[in-house]
Amino acid sequence: SQQGEEDPQALSIQEGENATMNCSYKTSINNLQWYRQNSGRGLVHLILIRSNEREKHSGRLRVTLDTSKKSSSLLITASRAADTASYFCATDGSNTGKLIFGQGTTLQVKP
Amino acid sequence: GAVVSQHPSWVICKSGTSVKIECRSLDFQATTMFWYRQFPKQSLMLMATSNEGSKATYEQGVEKDKFLINHASLTLSTLTVTSAHPEDSSFYICSARDLGATALAKNIQYFGAGTRLSVL
Repeated sequence: SQQGEEDPQALSIQEGENATMNCSYKTSINNLQWYRQNSGRGLVHLILIRSNEREKHSGRLRVTLDTSKKSSSLLITASRAADTASYFCATDGSNTGKLIFGQGTTLQVKP
Repeated sequence: GAVVSQHPSWVICKSGTSVKIECRSLDFQATTMFWYRQFPKQSLMLMATSNEGSKATYEQGVEKDKFLINHASLTLSTLTVTSAHPEDSSFYICSARDLGATALAKNIQYFGAGTRLSVL
């Protein structure tokens, strides 16, 4: 079952602007991950944040996690046209390794 | 980095035929692989967890006789869509975890490129 909700569903920005995507989930988690999917392709792992972490950075990516609100955000700074893709959050709340994916945000970065 | 190969990338078949999709971990061993289905502009829906040497674990609502999963080795899992019908047309994606990775990295899933199935 899909437990994550993401907003916005679609986001269109100009190159160089920042893009922020939000994710909410329903149950307790061990960690939360963000993945990227180019159209018609598989997913690529971007970043993982553990439940006891509040913020994490990787290059132009910044992820925050608020377990009290059961929410996370992904910020992409200085966006590029190549960042155009769909972005999904995924939660791991069990020890089975199963990930529950959010609905995704489709990002379009215009050159 | 860990690489997962999935093929075919695209298959068209006639209604009533069976289609096999392969998922291989190329540079790591995967005792567990996952199969997802994705409809256009939607998220991934987990269909089943494939376990090496044992039966797959199917998610609620997924027909195990329809979607046969075999995980015969530590690097290969297959999904067979039996007696495919047009409603089975979809994008199927597999993933695997590298259990030989460090503790935190074990949680990351590496995805194949997906298989687009069109049933006529």
